Amino acid sequence: AQKVTQAQTEISVVEKEDVTLDCVYETRDTTYYLFWYKQPPSGELVFLIRRNSFDEQNEISGRYSWNFQKSTSSFNFTITASQVVDSAVYFCAPHAGGTSYGKLTFGQGTILTVHP
Amino acid sequence: DSGVTQTPKHLITATGQRVTLRCSPRSGDLSVYWYQQSLDQGLQFLIQYYNGEERAKGNILERFSAQQFPDLHSELNLSSLELGDSALYFCASSPQPIARDSPLHFGNGTRLTVT
Repeated sequence: AQKVTQAQTEISVVEKEDVTLDCVYETRDTTYYLFWYKQPPSGELVFLIRRNSFDEQNEISGRYSWNFQKSTSSFNFTITASQVVDSAVYFCAPHAGGTSYGKLTFGQGTILTVHP
Repeated sequence: DSGVTQTPKHLITATGQRVTLRCSPRSGDLSVYWYQQSLDQGLQFLIQYYNGEERAKGNILERFSAQQFPDLHSELNLSSLELGDSALYFCASSPQPIARDSPLHFGNGTRLTVT
């Protein structure tokens, strides 16, 4: 069975601090993609980034960076120099193969609050 | 703006009633997905359509049904509504049914309140 875990329920930081969100995806699949979505207080779901399971190279895009550790099936997403507008719920969502093609399974989400 | 349009934005109705939620996918996308977000269940996949045909089914109740029309818009019908059906319903679209490396693009959701 596949399982996605976002162990951090809530994180609170002060503006300009760096914050890392954790996601663990347990699966027997060797190839999959993992997506991060953001849901701000206004409610919409916004796609942020995509990572695959066969590339362990860290990536950076603006204030966002992420890395994948294959040994622990851990996808970590870091926001550098956080801003108040980053306050939102962050979801990781693996996209597996087989009959799961075409649908995302969402984690429970991490509520990030950035204080001024 | 994701390009996925959902209407209405808010819906308030009484128990036992029936409602229809509408979704227009992004231009060029053939596949439509419906998700339900509630406080106790989180974000749950309901159903997927591709080019008019049902492709995958998730935790969708028998009281719920969906379809995708020739112009590719989709409707989610919820009937015999119960208080527990109150939730945010999202529609998403993607170019193909097999979109493992493509993100789903979500609409802004329809907030359903059953009183």
